[in-house]
Amino acid sequence: GQNIDQPTEMTATEGAIVQINCTYQTSGFNGLFWYQQHAGEAPTFLSYNVLDGLEEKGRFSSFLSRSKGYSYLLLKELQMKDSASYLCAVRDSNYQLIWGAGTKLIIKP
Amino acid sequence: IAGITQAPTSQILAAGRRMTLRCTQDMRHNAMYWYRQDLGLGLRLIHYSNTAGTTGKGEVPDGYSVSRANTDDFPLTLASAVPSQTSVYFCASSEGSRDTGELFFGEGSRLTVL
Repeated sequence: GQNIDQPTEMTATEGAIVQINCTYQTSGFNGLFWYQQHAGEAPTFLSYNVLDGLEEKGRFSSFLSRSKGYSYLLLKELQMKDSASYLCAVRDSNYQLIWGAGTKLIIKP
Repeated sequence: IAGITQAPTSQILAAGRRMTLRCTQDMRHNAMYWYRQDLGLGLRLIHYSNTAGTTGKGEVPDGYSVSRANTDDFPLTLASAVPSQTSVYFCASSEGSRDTGELFFGEGSRLTVL
């Protein structure tokens, strides 16, 4: 079956760096997405990786290794507003998105 | 402001009742989706539509139906609600189903079936 694994919860300190990992096993691969979802709100798009390597966008970076079925989202200079759930999703061979359960990130002062 | 509008934002419903969740987008996106989100689970696709006039079944379609009469509207109907359909429902859209695929989500509809 298809599976996306990411940690359920992580805690980090304001101003620090945190890495959220995502491993996947899917039938085919047509891109990996990261979304941010604040409690009680809709998910919003953060990043898209389809080729191996690092994509940087401000304080957020996303890395992909297709051979390892692995991605991570790196958040630098953490701010309190970064407290949210981070959702990893992979688009399979049918171009359907398979979603992980999300990682709840708690930022402490 | 361009985006996706869902209604209602919250609803309590008796089991066995019929319910339609409305979704409208003004971005002229071709593809639209309905997801449900439950605690501890990833978003699960209920139904989707790649273009007006076509629909398809997702991962958890049973008990739900959709229609796509035009580009903008994509209502989700629960013909006879059951307690297991208690969830938060998100409508989403994207320009196409095979491009970079960024999804734009509505604010969600929280449905409780008693």
